Amino acid sequence: DAGVTQSPTHLIKTRGQQVTLRCSPKSGHDTVSWYQQALGQGPQFIFQYYEEEERQRGNFPDRFSGHQFPNYSSELNVNALLLGDSALYLCASSLVQGERHNEKLFFGSGTQLSVL
Amino acid sequence: AQKVTQAQTEISVVEKEDVTLDCVYETRDTTYYLFWYKQPPSGELVFLIRRNSFDEQNEISGRYSWNFQKSTSSFNFTITASQVVDSAVYFCALSESSGYSTLTFGKGTMLLVSP
Repeated sequence: DAGVTQSPTHLIKTRGQQVTLRCSPKSGHDTVSWYQQALGQGPQFIFQYYEEEERQRGNFPDRFSGHQFPNYSSELNVNALLLGDSALYLCASSLVQGERHNEKLFFGSGTQLSVL
Repeated sequence: AQKVTQAQTEISVVEKEDVTLDCVYETRDTTYYLFWYKQPPSGELVFLIRRNSFDEQNEISGRYSWNFQKSTSSFNFTITASQVVDSAVYFCALSESSGYSTLTFGKGTMLLVSP
């Protein structure tokens, strides 16, 4: 049973460029969340996708956008990269069961993005 | 707004020592969930425990135990007889009932267990 997989593992970009990160959720999961973890900090919630729609969003600018596909996989896009976007980007999947939204999240190993 | 504070940035212990990681949270909700995650050097966050706000019973799982006290808004984590493999960053997190599984994390505590 594959867990959450993310690609690529590492990525180096320059300021102003655009980047796309990918995530495949754990088998059977239908919800994907993205988190940004700066060095020495805890992960911060970016947004969450369910039924191919953005359901919740954290305090991140519109440069951060996403998409969820019919197979539940997801992409995170960041436009006009800034030096401050350098971080570990973590994808987490979960399964909505009726009204129970707060199931435990399964995380991938992340994509380390470096912006030069 | 919800907030999680992990005041201990880094803790160093020698193998077999007991160690407690502190977590203090703030929320206006009466229904919420508290979590602990472990992050080894590989980067993946590993789920350890989830506790809802109505269950204040302490929990023990092997060498791990958790002490939840609503009166002090704390959810502390104790590792008994620590091992080198316990070395990692540990995060405490909070999810409110309306949060659709979105977590607010603390800054984490790095635990270094030396042989």
